[in-house]
Amino acid sequence: QVQLQESGPGLVKPSGTLSLTCAVSGGSISSNNWWSWVRQAPGKGLEWIGEVYHSGTNNYNPSLGSRVTLSVDRSNNQFSLTLSSVTAADTAVYFCARGGKWLDHFDYWGQGTLVTVSS
Amino acid sequence: EIVMTQSPTTLSVSPGERATLSCRASQSISSNLAWYQQKPGQPPRLLIYGASTRATGIPARFSGSGSGTEFTLTISSLQSEDFAVYYCQQSNKWPTSFGPGTKVDIK
Repeated sequence: QVQLQESGPGLVKPSGTLSLTCAVSGGSISSNNWWSWVRQAPGKGLEWIGEVYHSGTNNYNPSLGSRVTLSVDRSNNQFSLTLSSVTAADTAVYFCARGGKWLDHFDYWGQGTLVTVSS
Repeated sequence: EIVMTQSPTTLSVSPGERATLSCRASQSISSNLAWYQQKPGQPPRLLIYGASTRATGIPARFSGSGSGTEFTLTISSLQSEDFAVYYCQQSNKWPTSFGPGTKVDIK
């Protein structure tokens, strides 16, 4: 059973950088899957942030522009999200999730971690 | 970007009754549509993918149908654990996108 667990600071200052890591257990990050981040602002719907493959190939939601960077750490079986120049609008629960092939549904999700942007 | 819409926003149903949720895509997405269930404080749970294939462990009372731009999730007989928010997601055209959700609550 694949499990994903997000970790990182729960509070980030405006204009700062949000950094989160998703640890994968019960499976290999080098499997034939894409690994994504999805966020959910309080009381709102789901927004896909981006995805990364174990090779390091990545795709980002154009709505977030160049603020997003995803990376993979194969040695520790984890992947990471960095979001720069954050504002209050980036306050959300951030989920990591496993996709199948590129552009696919998500079959496993982490529990999510709340990140608040506030001074 | 493909825009997904869902209706109704809220659906009030009595336990044991049938619930029918709709999802519409702004352009054809073939059958590349998934449904998720989300309860408060929990991540989304995959119910249906490929518009009509139940995910592992999902009860048979959940069924999905549709193709192109119109899709339906049906819960044949609502159980207490089914009261939640349901989202659809298209994976036909990049970037993937989700609908705004339908909340199913107790009537």
